[in-house]
Amino acid sequence: DAGVIQSPRHEVTEMGQEVTLRCKPISGHNSLFWYRQTMMRGLELLIYFNNNVPIDDSGMPEDRFSAKMPNASFSTLKIQPSEPRDSAVYFCASSSDSFRQPQHFGDGTRLSIL
Amino acid sequence: SQQGEEDPQALSIQEGENATMNCSYKTSINNLQWYRQNSGRGLVHLILIRSNEREKHSGRLRVTLDTSKKSSSLLITASRAADTASYFCATVSYNTDKLIFGTGTRLQVFP
Repeated sequence: DAGVIQSPRHEVTEMGQEVTLRCKPISGHNSLFWYRQTMMRGLELLIYFNNNVPIDDSGMPEDRFSAKMPNASFSTLKIQPSEPRDSAVYFCASSSDSFRQPQHFGDGTRLSIL
Repeated sequence: SQQGEEDPQALSIQEGENATMNCSYKTSINNLQWYRQNSGRGLVHLILIRSNEREKHSGRLRVTLDTSKKSSSLLITASRAADTASYFCATVSYNTDKLIFGTGTRLQVFP
């Protein structure tokens, strides 16, 4: 079975540039989550979708961050403009029933903003 | 914000020994989950234990849950070098219905 697929695996870009992270959840899962992991703050939930609809975006740090899920098999997380403090590993995860079932994580995108 | 706090933060043992990691949390929960993260990889789900359960097993893993003490433990028996990873507990509370991760325990198993 294909797991959660994220791209790119690594992204290095300069401050002020737009960054787009992509995620393909596991087929049949109806919930999708975006997390950010840093040494200082650990693993933080940014936003989650249920049946392609954003349910809670209270973890999105600023208006520079936006996320979309145009269909059940694809989601994007966009940062525009990017800043050095956005450097982190960004994970996408999916599950069959929001938070009450196990989440399956992709291998993340390691983002470095110079 | 992090609800779960793991203890210890780091643990080093020899292959064959048992490893015990503890997790404490603050609010009433629906369930508690344990995940493993290998270096440079995503988290992998290990076990989910519901608030009305006290113990669960999966292979060499044993998880206990004490809701009166708001704590859980993960025991890995007969550890292997391949068990080297960070281990996180995560809770789903009745209040927020979100999965909140703890700070993690870094386990090093020496061959």
